[in-house]
Amino acid sequence: EAQVTQNPRYLITVTGKKLTVTCSQNMNHEYMSWYRQDPGLGLRQIYYSMNVEVTDKGDVPEGYKVSRKEKRNFPLILESPSPNQTSLYFCASSFATGFGEQYFGPGTRLTVT
Amino acid sequence: GQQLNQSPQSMFIQEGEDVSMNCTSSSIFNTWLWYKQDPGEGPVLLIALYKAGELTSNGRLTAQFGITRKDSFLNISASIPSDVGIYFCAGPYNTDKLIFGTGTRLQVFP
Repeated sequence: EAQVTQNPRYLITVTGKKLTVTCSQNMNHEYMSWYRQDPGLGLRQIYYSMNVEVTDKGDVPEGYKVSRKEKRNFPLILESPSPNQTSLYFCASSFATGFGEQYFGPGTRLTVT
Repeated sequence: GQQLNQSPQSMFIQEGEDVSMNCTSSSIFNTWLWYKQDPGEGPVLLIALYKAGELTSNGRLTAQFGITRKDSFLNISASIPSDVGIYFCAGPYNTDKLIFGTGTRLQVFP
């Protein structure tokens, strides 16, 4: 089954404790992206990757890091999480650039206390 | 930065009613996308529009690419309970990035 998986689905952590949210897709997509969803603000792009070893900032990259060492995986790293990073996070992938059909993962709800 | 504004923010309607929502931008888009997010899940693409003036249907859903290229509209006819969710418009900018609207939350009452 074609899908985008994210782990964990739920995470509660404390300020400053480094964490990684994993994302994996099995569709051989080149383009992958991370978004955060906050009430009233819709989905905002954090980082995206056009292909292996090619990443770039989205609209809200501060406080986040990503890497793309393999085509299927695109982890999101929070080196020192803060409460304003409490949000719902989505990973997405598509064949081509960002305006192709993007397939979204199920989401990761992160709470930073 | 770039913003897509959607209205209304939320809608509470009765089953069987028709629904209209729109999305506006301060700049021109060459593609408009409409996504739906079911409760507890990630967004799923409903309709893609690639040409100004284009009208495209997907079952009970119809979307239009505005003539000015700065807006798009989504209509749902004869709503049913499973239409509940958040509807997002989206469009590409700077070639590689996709920007999403603020969303319209739809509630359907039986």
